Amino acid sequence: GDSVTQMEGPVTLSEEAFLTINCTYTATGYPSLFWYVQYPGEGLQLLLKATKADDKGSNKGFEATYRKETTSFHLEKGSVQVSDSAVYFCALSDVAGGGADGLTFGKGTHLIIQP
Amino acid sequence: EADIYQTPRYLVIGTGKKITLECSQTMGHDKMYWYQQDPGMELHLIHYSYGVNSTEKGDLSSESTVSRIRTEHFPLTLESARPSHTSQYLCASSVRESNNSPLHFGNGTRLTVT
Repeated sequence: GDSVTQMEGPVTLSEEAFLTINCTYTATGYPSLFWYVQYPGEGLQLLLKATKADDKGSNKGFEATYRKETTSFHLEKGSVQVSDSAVYFCALSDVAGGGADGLTFGKGTHLIIQP
Repeated sequence: EADIYQTPRYLVIGTGKKITLECSQTMGHDKMYWYQQDPGMELHLIHYSYGVNSTEKGDLSSESTVSRIRTEHFPLTLESARPSHTSQYLCASSVRESNNSPLHFGNGTRLTVT
């Protein structure tokens, strides 16, 4: 079945550092890929998405490129801020993969930015 | 900002009680979902619906039940709560179209069963 693997946290960085959160996936079809962010006490919010190979999703300084050859969708940001502290989820949607509907999520990566 | 609402935000109840977690959305979305989020943050799909009178079980077996009598409303019910049901429950919705439609999430209900 489909699966998403992302780096385990917590990831602790200093403000203005460069961020990479790795995400790889397995899917039977041609999935769409997403990054969601969850701030403390809240639900998940869509951060960015990409629907086909070589697409780059970007939002709020974050970006990720859909790499079909490496089945990856790594999240990057050039200069993180304290307000970026949250849990980040990589996810895929693969209608052709069968099984239950909805997104398949990674286990989440807790990001902590220190001033 | 997505218009999807969950009540209550926090609920502490005793074992054996019947509870209903409410979820409503004002976006007219056909698809709705319930996810259970464990303390390690991992999300598990427990129920989903394609529209009115449609309910399906998700990847994770759950003792809860759901109903979809109206498009905007997707409540989740536990007939007899147990401590093992302690978790955060997240409701989500999306439009009924191709697989690149994002999910819109509510803020969740944190349930504690004592």
